[in-house]
Amino acid sequence: GAVVSQHPSWVICKSGTSVKIECRSLDFQATTMFWYRQFPKQSLMLMATSNEGSKATYEQGVEKDKFLINHASLTLSTLTVTSAHPEDSSFYICSAIPQGGTGANVLTFGAGSRLTVL
Amino acid sequence: DQQVKQNSPSLSVQEGRISILNCDYTNSMFDYFLWYKKYPAEGPTFLISISSIKDKNEDGRFTVFLNKSAKHLSLHIVPSQPGDSAVYFCAARGNAGNMLTFGGGTRLMVKP
Repeated sequence: GAVVSQHPSWVICKSGTSVKIECRSLDFQATTMFWYRQFPKQSLMLMATSNEGSKATYEQGVEKDKFLINHASLTLSTLTVTSAHPEDSSFYICSAIPQGGTGANVLTFGAGSRLTVL
Repeated sequence: DQQVKQNSPSLSVQEGRISILNCDYTNSMFDYFLWYKKYPAEGPTFLISISSIKDKNEDGRFTVFLNKSAKHLSLHIVPSQPGDSAVYFCAARGNAGNMLTFGGGTRLMVKP
């Protein structure tokens, strides 16, 4: 089955530094990837939709200059949290749709990346 | 504005009994509903889905019911097993694209 890999699975950083999280589709090509954020004991909140070769579409309230998304290839999307602060600490999850795939049930999620900002 | 709500944050069920997880939505444009299962520190995994043109979909121990007039769906797990203990999210999709709106999740605990 389709596999989405996220790296790193856990990162701890100092306030003010930038952190990059990678999302890779391992055995399929994905024209569209989604980035979610989950606060403790809360729902998954869609942050942005990442389309290969074009600018990401951000959800309302998500700062695009804060959360930089790059989808440079059909198998890789990156989320960079710039100048991270403690309030950015969260669990970030990506998901991907296989190229040509239809139906939301073909969405495959990564295992998530936990960011802790000290 | 929460368009998808799971009003029960947690549910405890005895092994072998039925687990019923509920989900309500407000957006009548949603046309496809999904349930995901999530273990701690892992990404959600797809469980079962239902189209808005149906009222029931069954897959093994899992059945999803949809009541469009009430804007309510539920996931039934029977018989429940300890390995079913996880957080369950319901999600809804609008009729354009694959963007999902998630509910807040319900933590299911199945006791042996």
